[in-house]
This record gives sequence, structure tokens and C-alpha cells, in this order.
Amino acid sequence: QSALTQPASVSGSPGQSITISCTGSSSDVGRYKYVSWYQQHPGKAPKLMIYEVSNRPSGVPIRFSGSKSGNTASLTISGLQAEDEADYYCSSYTGSTTLDRVFGGGTKLTVL
Amino acid sequence: EVQLVESGGGLVQPGGSLRLSCAASGFTFSNYWMSWVRQAPGKGLEWVANIKQGGSEKYYVDSVKGRFTISRDNAKNSLYLQMNSLRAEDTAVYYCARDHAVAATDYWGQGTLVTVSS
Repeated sequence: QSALTQPASVSGSPGQSITISCTGSSSDVGRYKYVSWYQQHPGKAPKLMIYEVSNRPSGVPIRFSGSKSGNTASLTISGLQAEDEADYYCSSYTGSTTLDRVFGGGTKLTVL
Repeated sequence: EVQLVESGGGLVQPGGSLRLSCAASGFTFSNYWMSWVRQAPGKGLEWVANIKQGGSEKYYVDSVKGRFTISRDNAKNSLYLQMNSLRAEDTAVYYCARDHAVAATDYWGQGTLVTVSS
């Protein structure tokens, strides 16, 4: 099972929208609705932003949204804010007992 | 307030052992699957292991199977990771995490650094 593929970096200006893609396979992203997204600021623990493709945990701004098409999931952040600058990781359930979930390599979001 | 506090990390020689602990508070620990997730320096996240509410089911990533053991003590609201035969590639920050839904974790500890080096 390979790691999910994310772009190494994306950038946008305050107020703009950006989308981060996460490409897997028919064995993970394409098969299950269990895709999650995490935000991680430097030196901090990850924070769950999206689960089950498009659900937001309590407290996560509605500016963050998730979707999936085929083997690719996407995280969209609208109305970019300076505090959104962070690393973002996607994750997918694999159905395997020896790899419960696989993560993407991470995307560095820079707010210009 | 949900809190997860890891301890037990440190410097260990290759082939050595460490036991990580995670003290949970602010929620009913026995109701949740729990996971360990690690992050090598400057690298991405990697799921390591998880354990069912009562401890009857445990799963591991292939690279640690047979070397690491996840366990829990619901009476003490604690999660553990016994790590044996440690290798340089096990060097990472290890996070204790609460599973919220299938393969998603909603709360993470601050992490504990494990360094395997001679």
C-alpha cells in the first residue's frame, strides 16, 4: 500500500480559495468514504479538519470543505486567512488489518 | 476538556526497548478505539497501531509487527506502546490519539520523541 499523493505545496492570498488534492487508489480513497484531513502547524500536533470525506468536527470553520471523486479526494479552503498557513495531510481507511489508514505525504500551504 | 498526555520517550540504542504511556482525561476512555501515530523528523504521519475499546482487537503496521505491542488499562485511563528491538527508522515523535470515526482521530497528544541512535 503506497502513501497517498498530495502536492508538496500550494499557496494563495488572503480571501482566496485553494484546493489540495489527495490521490489514492481503488483500494483506499476510491473504495471507502473514510477520508480525513488534518492541519498541522509547526511543532504542534495534527488537528482533525474533515472526516468521512466531507464532515467537519465541531469547531472547524465552514471555510473548510471536503469532497471526493473516484480515487481523488480534495480539501478546499475558502476565504483564506493567515492562520490557515500550515501543513495539511489527507488520510484514507484501507480496510487492511496491517495498515488501518494510509496518509498522504503532506502539503505545505503558504498564505501570501 | 479532552487531554492526552504522552510520556516515556527518549534516546535508546538500536536493539533497545522503550515503553510509551498516554494518560487520558476528559472523556470516557473505555468507549473509544485508541491509536498511536508517529512522525519522523521533517516527515509525514504514519499510523502505527490501534486497539479496540476493551483491548480484544489490536492492529499494527507491518513494519512494527512482532516488535511493538499496544495495550490499554481502562481502569487507569491509560494507553501504552511497548517498543522492542528498536531500529533507527523508528526515530519519530509518537502521538497518542483518540479514534473519532473509522480511521480518523479527533484528539491528539502533544507527542513524545523517540530517538534510536548509538
